[in-house]
Amino acid sequence: EDQVTQSPEALRLQEGESSSLNCSYTVSGLRGLFWYRQDPGKGPEFLFTLYSAGEEKEKERLKATLTKKESFLHITAPKPEDSATYLCAFTYGGATNKLIFGTGTLLAVQP
Amino acid sequence: DSGVTQTPKHLITATGQRVTLRCSPRSGDLSVYWYQQSLDQGLQFLIQYYNGEERAKGNILERFSAQQFPDLHSELNLSSLELGDSALYFCASSLGPNTGELFFGEGSRLTVL
Repeated sequence: EDQVTQSPEALRLQEGESSSLNCSYTVSGLRGLFWYRQDPGKGPEFLFTLYSAGEEKEKERLKATLTKKESFLHITAPKPEDSATYLCAFTYGGATNKLIFGTGTLLAVQP
Repeated sequence: DSGVTQTPKHLITATGQRVTLRCSPRSGDLSVYWYQQSLDQGLQFLIQYYNGEERAKGNILERFSAQQFPDLHSELNLSSLELGDSALYFCASSLGPNTGELFFGEGSRLTVL
């Protein structure tokens, strides 16, 4: 069964303490791997799309990477405003854009 | 602000009732998606429309239906509501049917009492 698993479920960091979030997937015919950020009571906000193993994308303190079985979201020197739930999702197979989401990692960055 | 507008923001109703959630996509986007987010299930894909036509269907209950109108706004109708239907319902839009990035609205929080 196609699925995505995120770990850890929750992560608490001190400001400036770098870390990584993991997204493991088992998908036949992966078309794209996506990272979103979601603040409490808000809709998910798009961060990155990765299409092939070896691909990397960066935005401010965030860097997303992709291998054949997993994706990492690296957070360098996080700030309290980076606190949010980070969701990964994938699309696969045919001609639709159905995004399948993981359950997310709740990140808390303490000052 | 993603440019996707959802109404109402909050809705409280009773079991057995019917509600309609409305979504206006970003200007220029032709594809609309509906997702349900509950505490125990995460974000669940319900249905996708592209330029007025149903494109993909997920775990949408038979009591739920949706459509996309010629002006591209979409409505999600939920009927015979049950306590378990209480959730956040998100609408998202994208330019094309297979475009990678989705832009989500702020959601409609439905509480069924």
